[in-house]
Amino acid sequence: NAGVTQTPKFRILKIGQSMTLQCAQDMNHNYMYWYRQDPGMGLKLIYYSVGAGITDKGEVPNGYNVSRSTTEDFPLRLELAAPSQTSVYFCASNPQGKYSNQPQHFGDGTRLSIL
Amino acid sequence: KQEVTQIPAALSVPEGENLVLNCSFTDSAIYNLQWFRQDPGKGLTSLLLIQSSQREQTSGRLNASLDKSSGRSTLYIAASQPGDSATYLCAVYTNAGKSTFGDGTTLTVKP
Repeated sequence: NAGVTQTPKFRILKIGQSMTLQCAQDMNHNYMYWYRQDPGMGLKLIYYSVGAGITDKGEVPNGYNVSRSTTEDFPLRLELAAPSQTSVYFCASNPQGKYSNQPQHFGDGTRLSIL
Repeated sequence: KQEVTQIPAALSVPEGENLVLNCSFTDSAIYNLQWFRQDPGKGLTSLLLIQSSQREQTSGRLNASLDKSSGRSTLYIAASQPGDSATYLCAVYTNAGKSTFGDGTTLTVKP
């Protein structure tokens, strides 16, 4: 059981470039989330999705876009990368979500540097 | 806006000690609270989840309590071991699926 898989693990981008961070889960979870974690800090919610075709903004959505065309995949798109987006990005999922008391499962993260 | 604070930011103890990590939150309208462990360079692993209607949860040497009315949770670790060294994060969740994380407590257990 792979759980939550994030690719790539590391990436260096130049200012102004764009890229997509991939996230896939094989647990048939409805809810999926994208967080960023800056050094020494907790996680901040970027976007989340309650199911295929439905997404919503979290605390820090500016500069990012998401899509959820399938239950399994929840890619995060960075347009016009900026140094402030240098961070570690985590994807997570859990079943049912709104009325679920099941814990979140996290991927191992993508370490992104914008230079 | 929900805010989550974890105290202390860092803690160093000798092996075998019992210890308590603290988490406080400003809005008591939560659905549940989770404690996570994060090892360096890794993702988060869920340790305990406490529903808003519960007072505590236990798993092995870990015990988490929740006092929703006062906006506090504690994670108690009994008989600490060097392998417990990690960063511990608490997070509160609303029933809309949104979450707010604390900045974590970095624990070092010395042999």
